[in-house]
Amino acid sequence: DADVTQTPRNRITKTGKRIMLECSQTKGHDRMYWYRQDPGLGLQLIYYSFDVKDINKGEISDGYSVSRQAQAKFSLSLESAIPNQTALYFCATSDYAGANYNEQFFGPGTRLTVL
Amino acid sequence: AQSVTQPDIHITVSEGASLELRCNYSYGATPYLFWYVQSPGQGLQLLLKYFSGDTLVQGIKGFEAEFKRSQSSFNLRKPSVHWSDAAEYFCAVASGNTPLVFGKGTRLSVIA
Repeated sequence: DADVTQTPRNRITKTGKRIMLECSQTKGHDRMYWYRQDPGLGLQLIYYSFDVKDINKGEISDGYSVSRQAQAKFSLSLESAIPNQTALYFCATSDYAGANYNEQFFGPGTRLTVL
Repeated sequence: AQSVTQPDIHITVSEGASLELRCNYSYGATPYLFWYVQSPGQGLQLLLKYFSGDTLVQGIKGFEAEFKRSQSSFNLRKPSVHWSDAAEYFCAVASGNTPLVFGKGTRLSVIA
């Protein structure tokens, strides 16, 4: 079973709709992240959370919100989707200590299309 | 603020030829450096990482990278490229307690 899962894997929606992307992990990591990938732009950080009570904005948080429901779950919401939010979205996790310190483990991605 | 530059957007190499992908970072202290690979339609997989110690690090799939502090570089190399290496490659940097900052990526094409 995958350590980091994302649902849905693909979603097509219309402008103005509210969308939630979900991420779950079984790695036991405290830290979770949401990234957006656009061709030629690499990965841009949307939000991150270092523990259940900690939420931080990334470089492109406008138009997005997040919820950290539990250590293992981190959801990303688009309150009112717009076409330029069409992108590939990745969730990632990392540990805060040990041999894998700072190494991020990625989910398979969610491809979102906003019409 | 940290930043990562991957100067080459797209590189094409012949199968069996050597490969070097460039990465330059901007960060004041000793960084944590990573190379990830993304195959078409897939998520990101870690190739290798540098935290400290030996500046030449070995990774999976026959890749290696060398940390050069004087040049602020962490270039990725492979002596002989296989067709399955065609993918997008991302360099990333982090400090002790901040999320990774990624470069914009280099797309590698492999021709016969």
